[in-house]
Amino acid sequence: GAVVSQHPSWVICKSGTSVKIECRSLDFQATTMFWYRQFPKQSLMLMATSNEGSKATYEQGVEKDKFLINHASLTLSTLTVTSAHPEDSSFYICSARTGDNSPLHFGNGTRLTVT
Amino acid sequence: GENVEQHPSTLSVQEGDSAVIKCTYSDSASNYFPWYKQELGKGPQLIIDIRSNVGEKKDQRIAVTLNKTAKHFSLHITETQPEDSAVYFCAASKAGSSGSARQLTFGSGTQLTVLP
Repeated sequence: GAVVSQHPSWVICKSGTSVKIECRSLDFQATTMFWYRQFPKQSLMLMATSNEGSKATYEQGVEKDKFLINHASLTLSTLTVTSAHPEDSSFYICSARTGDNSPLHFGNGTRLTVT
Repeated sequence: GENVEQHPSTLSVQEGDSAVIKCTYSDSASNYFPWYKQELGKGPQLIIDIRSNVGEKKDQRIAVTLNKTAKHFSLHITETQPEDSAVYFCAASKAGSSGSARQLTFGSGTQLTVLP
């Protein structure tokens, strides 16, 4: 149980375009999902907390207008990288938990390359 | 906020030997400490976790110890196998206030290589 599915697994886009990444909890409902960013050989950095039915909470330094998060249902959160630039190239990973005191489970990540 | 330090950054062991990875945390209120294994190009996978009311937890070849006084916890892998090669992350968190979901603070990661 507690499977988190992320799509796509990789995407290449041109500079200036927008990219949407989906995160789904397959066998449980998640009122809260988390979006992380990971650069090569570095740790995971929390970008934002996605709350179902309300606005996301962004970490300091993360531009909310650039990284749009929509958590429209209890099983789906989306991250849209708007007007992507090469410096946005990274590995984006979502996570969710079945309950407030349950372990955090991660998706398999999305490798974004902006050319 | 919480700060988690992890050592070593790289670790190479011979197959069959044990591997130990150590982490320290700064916030004495942290009460949940998971360990994740991340293989290349994949998301982190939870391998074991421990809560602050327990000093040690074991699951087959993997064990975690927690010293709340010293604010450090360690991952122990015995009888290592080549498939144990991956990046391992420790993390710490505490229950959020007002019922908010806890957030994890990750260590910097340890690249473990098990040599056949």
